[in-house]
Amino acid sequence: GESVGLHLPTLSVQEGDNSIINCAYSNSASDYFIWYKQESGKGPQFIIDIRSNMDKRQGQRVTVLLNKTVKHLSLQITATQPGDSAVYFCAESYSGNTPLVFGKGTRLSVIA
Amino acid sequence: KAGVTQTPRYLIKTRGQQVTLSCSPISGHRSVSWYQQTPGQGLQFLFEYFSETQRNKGNFPGRFSGRQFSNSRSEMNVSTLELGDSALYLCASSRALGAAQGTQYFGPGTRLLVL
Repeated sequence: GESVGLHLPTLSVQEGDNSIINCAYSNSASDYFIWYKQESGKGPQFIIDIRSNMDKRQGQRVTVLLNKTVKHLSLQITATQPGDSAVYFCAESYSGNTPLVFGKGTRLSVIA
Repeated sequence: KAGVTQTPRYLIKTRGQQVTLSCSPISGHRSVSWYQQTPGQGLQFLFEYFSETQRNKGNFPGRFSGRQFSNSRSEMNVSTLELGDSALYLCASSRALGAAQGTQYFGPGTRLLVL
């Protein structure tokens, strides 16, 4: 079955640096991808999403890159701030009305 | 615009009991999905409701059930609780059925502890 995995379980970055969180997916039929941020004690918060007809999408301080050739997804955070410290999840979906399949998550720690 | 709300936020039960969790979606959202989050298994999909009908179901035993009301509010029930049911239960709402049809927004979750 389909699966979504993360390359790194933890990531530590200096405040002000850029962060890159990676995600691999196994289902080449997946056509929708989404990133969530989850802070301690809270539910996942939507960051950005991208569809398979796009390679890149930008938001406020975040960029998602999709490489369908190698089935890889990444989230780039510009000028990482202490408030960015959280667990980040990628998730995928395929076909019209199937549910999200989540990866295990990457913990981002920002060092002040 | 109010976000997704879940009640109660915390719950302690004993094995064998049953529990009902409630979720109120964002106004205008008709789809409600439920997820279980544990440290070992991560976020796992339970089921999705749209227009009062279960449309998708994850790989969970029949002890886990849910329903959706005409105002899109949803409840999930777990019967005969087991220790392994201890988890954060998350509800997410979206405008349309299926994750690819509309962004899912999550509530704060209900943390269930089974003793």
